[in-house]
Amino acid sequence: QKEVEQDPGPLSVPEGAIVSLNCTYSNSAFQYFMWYRQYSRKGPELLMYTYSSGNKEDGRFTAQVDKSSKYISLFIRDSQPSDSATYLCAMSVSGAGGTSYGKLTFGQGTILTVHP
Amino acid sequence: DSGVTQTPKHLITATGQRVTLRCSPRSGDLSVYWYQQSLDQGLQFLIQYYNGEERAKGNILERFSAQQFPDLHSELNLSSLELGDSALYFCASSLEDTQYFGPGTRLTVL
Repeated sequence: QKEVEQDPGPLSVPEGAIVSLNCTYSNSAFQYFMWYRQYSRKGPELLMYTYSSGNKEDGRFTAQVDKSSKYISLFIRDSQPSDSATYLCAMSVSGAGGTSYGKLTFGQGTILTVHP
Repeated sequence: DSGVTQTPKHLITATGQRVTLRCSPRSGDLSVYWYQQSLDQGLQFLIQYYNGEERAKGNILERFSAQQFPDLHSELNLSSLELGDSALYFCASSLEDTQYFGPGTRLTVL
């Protein structure tokens, strides 16, 4: 069983819809949670970063972490065709700062298409 | 643009060959990470360097090696290449708690 599970989709939604992306994990030592967006043939781009349980909002994006259920989510409001990409959740035991061991463990990624 | 640069963008080579991938981290970042992305395995951590020292190893094959130089750029060396090594190779750099990824090098082994 993989440490991080993510439904690969694909997920297709109309423009303006609310998108919900989810990951579950098995390693209770994970403390840092991230969402990356990856366009085709490009490098992953950091979207959201959270350390604790709860919600974090940034514009149209909201990240949720539920450590008790080992479950994280990313919500995209008012989705746009430009949001079409692969969304990757990532987690680490420690932060990447200083001499910390900041290895990221990724989910498989969910392919999202937002059609006009 | 994340500020992390990788060269070359594409690399096509034959089985049994050796290649070197190069990464320049964001200005001021001391940590460099290497990841491999393939269709079946997803993004997998290979190795981390911090200020020139190896910090952590992941699922890196013995045929692969890396180093970080005094100017903090890093190189990933892949030798005795096999068809299965064809993948996207990313490096990322960090100073604080988040990693920023470069555009990647696409390696094709024929």
